[in-house]
Amino acid sequence: QLVLTQSPSASASLGASVKLTCTLSSGHSSNAIAWHQQQPEKGPRYLMTVDSDGSHKKGDGIPDRFSGSSSGAERYLTISSLESEDEADYYCQTWGTGFWLFGGGTKLTVL
Amino acid sequence: EVRLVESGGGLVQPGGSLRLSCAGSGFTFRAYWLGWVRQAPGKGLEWVANIKHDGSDKYYVDSVKGRFTISRDNAKDSLFLQMNSLRADDTSVYYCAISSPFYKVGYWGQGTLVTVSS
Repeated sequence: QLVLTQSPSASASLGASVKLTCTLSSGHSSNAIAWHQQQPEKGPRYLMTVDSDGSHKKGDGIPDRFSGSSSGAERYLTISSLESEDEADYYCQTWGTGFWLFGGGTKLTVL
Repeated sequence: EVRLVESGGGLVQPGGSLRLSCAGSGFTFRAYWLGWVRQAPGKGLEWVANIKHDGSDKYYVDSVKGRFTISRDNAKDSLFLQMNSLRADDTSVYYCAISSPFYKVGYWGQGTLVTVSS
């Protein structure tokens, strides 16, 4: 069964870097995933698609501070030089046959 | 600029119906699978339904099968979600979205709130 697992919360200081993790369930380690950001009281925004080989393609206007990578069944979102506006919920998402699946989301707090 | 604009949300009684619309612009509408995603108050994102480029294939999350119908009109660059037999747990913000593993792109609308309550 396809499942995406994310830690419920993460925190890092202003100006620092943070790496968020999304883990694919057993048997699905070749899946690509997408990362989405949802700032407080706003709709989601697409950030990027990350492939199993670690390559990633970002959405329109996504700053260079955001990058993606992979290792095995894990997909990562790294945000460098954290800004206060990066405080948000981050969701990973993948594709099954005809359906989309979202992880539970990680709430990022910028200290 | 890609735009997805939802409309049609509102307050409806349990057992009632509502039809959501999504108008697309700034991209080749007929080239993409389209979907609806919802978010209940204080909760995460939940995929609801998808429709293939030409409307020939449709998929639904189990909780809405038999009650919701997704459709599209490529001539009018529009996506729809007919929601019948609405329940309190359908209360959510509903987003129209593109999410393509092939093109590696994603776009979201601003959402429309559906409240099911007596």
